[in-house]
Amino acid sequence: AQKITQTQPGMFVQEKEAVTLDCTYDTSDQSYGLFWYKQPSSGEMIFLIYQGSYDEQNATEGRYSLNFQKARKSANLVISASQLGDSAMYFCAMRASGGYQKVTFGIGTKLQVIP
Amino acid sequence: GAGVSQSPRYKVAKRGQDVALRCDPISGHVSLFWYQQALGQGPEFLTYFQNEAQLDKSGLPSDRFFAERPEGSVSTLKIQRTQQEDSAVYLCASSLGVHFTGELFFGEGSRLTVL
Repeated sequence: AQKITQTQPGMFVQEKEAVTLDCTYDTSDQSYGLFWYKQPSSGEMIFLIYQGSYDEQNATEGRYSLNFQKARKSANLVISASQLGDSAMYFCAMRASGGYQKVTFGIGTKLQVIP
Repeated sequence: GAGVSQSPRYKVAKRGQDVALRCDPISGHVSLFWYQQALGQGPEFLTYFQNEAQLDKSGLPSDRFFAERPEGSVSTLKIQRTQQEDSAVYLCASSLGVHFTGELFFGEGSRLTVL
């Protein structure tokens, strides 16, 4: 079974500062992918970044980077230079190679960027 | 179409009514997922299709929920005899292949309110 844990219900960050959103996961599969999605108040889920379990380097996509620590089973999202438009719900998710590869989501973290 | 399309965007049903929610995935996408997202929660897996085959329906909460994808493209999620606890946003997502590295592309969701 797969499990995603996000322990921060809400986070505040000052505009232009960096923020880290925590995510830990649990799986017995050796091969898996980790994803972060953003969900603004409008409701659509927007893909942000992907990290594969065998990737040796941390993934980066523009202002987003993923701090992947495999031994600790953590996949924290770092947003640099926060913008007001970053205010949204953020979901960590995992897709494992076993079973039918369903994607499991965490409960989410609500990020609010303060001007 | 360019993205995943869901209809209706909003549905109000009286308790006991049947509802049908439609998902039109990105053309050529093999994998299709249905998720249920209650207010303030993360998406919860309902069911997974690989082309027309429903390979995982372990997340369907009761036998009142039924999903199909008869020709491997458009999918319909049907809820019979709706109950108030069925009120949620139903998200459809598709991905190109079946590999765990593939990101999910989401529709805007169908918000169901059962009175």
